[in-house]
Amino acid sequence: DQQVKQNSPSLSVQEGRISILNCDYTNSMFDYFLWYKKYPAEGPTFLISISSIKDKNEDGRFTVFLNKSAKHLSLHIVPSQPGDSAVYFCAATVDGTASKLTFGTGTRLQVTL
Amino acid sequence: DAMVIQNPRYQVTQFGKPVTLSCSQTLNHNVMYWYQQKSSQAPKLLFHYYDKDFNNEADTPDNFQSRRPNTSFCFLDIRSPGLGDAAMYLCATARQGVRNEQFFGPGTRLTVL
Repeated sequence: DQQVKQNSPSLSVQEGRISILNCDYTNSMFDYFLWYKKYPAEGPTFLISISSIKDKNEDGRFTVFLNKSAKHLSLHIVPSQPGDSAVYFCAATVDGTASKLTFGTGTRLQVTL
Repeated sequence: DAMVIQNPRYQVTQFGKPVTLSCSQTLNHNVMYWYQQKSSQAPKLLFHYYDKDFNNEADTPDNFQSRRPNTSFCFLDIRSPGLGDAAMYLCATARQGVRNEQFFGPGTRLTVL
């Protein structure tokens, strides 16, 4: 039972354009959501997060949007850069206090020149 | 730099031969996690420690055990590895009580021959 789903295994975007990565979840108890970025041969690194009391959180080129009614969140990267090429994991947790994370299967983003 | 270190990065073992993976951290975080990630799948939590309190996931096979002798170190023991246990094993840490992300090590890729 996959509670966090990333239905696009891969995405290719031109440099300078917007990248939009999507994530859906089924567990309505989730109240904190995170995006992780993973380069080959490295562990995932935290990118940005959002609490369920918000619908948007922005950090530089990265913005996460949360639509609780649709149980959907998205990560926007503007403008996309070649260094953004990586696998992006969406994760969710119930109480958000360093608790257990449920991950999606990841989306591989390729930013082309 | 504060970090999460996993050794070895690559481990090859034979079917049924016990193997131990290690994780150490310099972040002084009280929570430590072990995840299993198979190709193109989401990282799956095996167990975690709050300080010395061990928390096993319900579907973690008995073949997998863990030890945490002190705050800095955590070990994953696979008593009788099967071919299906070949995966990337990720260690992560977090600070309990803080709505914060988990910090991941680079992972150990386990091959079972």
